[in-house]
Amino acid sequence: VLTQSPATLSLSPGERATLSCRASQSVSIFLAWYQQKPGQAPRLLIYDASNRAAGVPARFSGSGSGTDFTLTISSLEPEDFAVYYCQQRQHWPPLTFGGGTRVEI
Amino acid sequence: EVQLVESGGVLVQPGGSLRLSCAASGVSLSDYGMHWVRQAPGKGLEWVSYISARSDVIYYADSVKGRFTITRDNAKNSLHLQMNSLRVEDTAIYYCTSVDVLMHKPTGHWGQGTLVTVSS
Repeated sequence: VLTQSPATLSLSPGERATLSCRASQSVSIFLAWYQQKPGQAPRLLIYDASNRAAGVPARFSGSGSGTDFTLTISSLEPEDFAVYYCQQRQHWPPLTFGGGTRVEI
Repeated sequence: EVQLVESGGVLVQPGGSLRLSCAASGVSLSDYGMHWVRQAPGKGLEWVSYISARSDVIYYADSVKGRFTITRDNAKNSLHLQMNSLRVEDTAIYYCTSVDVLMHKPTGHWGQGTLVTVSS
């Protein structure tokens, strides 16, 4: 089970966002982060805990291993307001996703 | 440019059947494992099913086991999901997405989704 916190994060452009994902058992580094905007498919941001996917801006960074992971957005841009999901692939099936964190203005 | 395009989503009655497809361009699907992931209206992401590159490994979520069947046709560069005995709770946008064959690392390639609505 992946538990994301907080459920909602209310911040302003330019501020730093820190999103948490906690696993009920160790998933090693096999954790990914996705961004989803309304009406769009999820977009891969981070894979294997800390690797940015192609084309992802450097303001997005991931850290952690084992059971505790963090997605940090160093300085929020207007286009970063969205829902963020973590997902693990260490113990599958089933592939599991966290419940999501909404980053709102 | 890699594109995954889902199709086949419609309004169907409970108990009905539907076949979803995912067509790829700009990439050979035979190089990847493939997942179906769904998202009910206003809800989070839920994994549905996986098929390996050669179709020799197949997994299903408990919620769809025995009702859904995943297949692929590498010659036609396509992925399918046969959905039988549909329930209201199967209503969702269905996405296909690919992973690398060795470590199942996500590729970041997702389709735009196809909406399945199960309602009487």
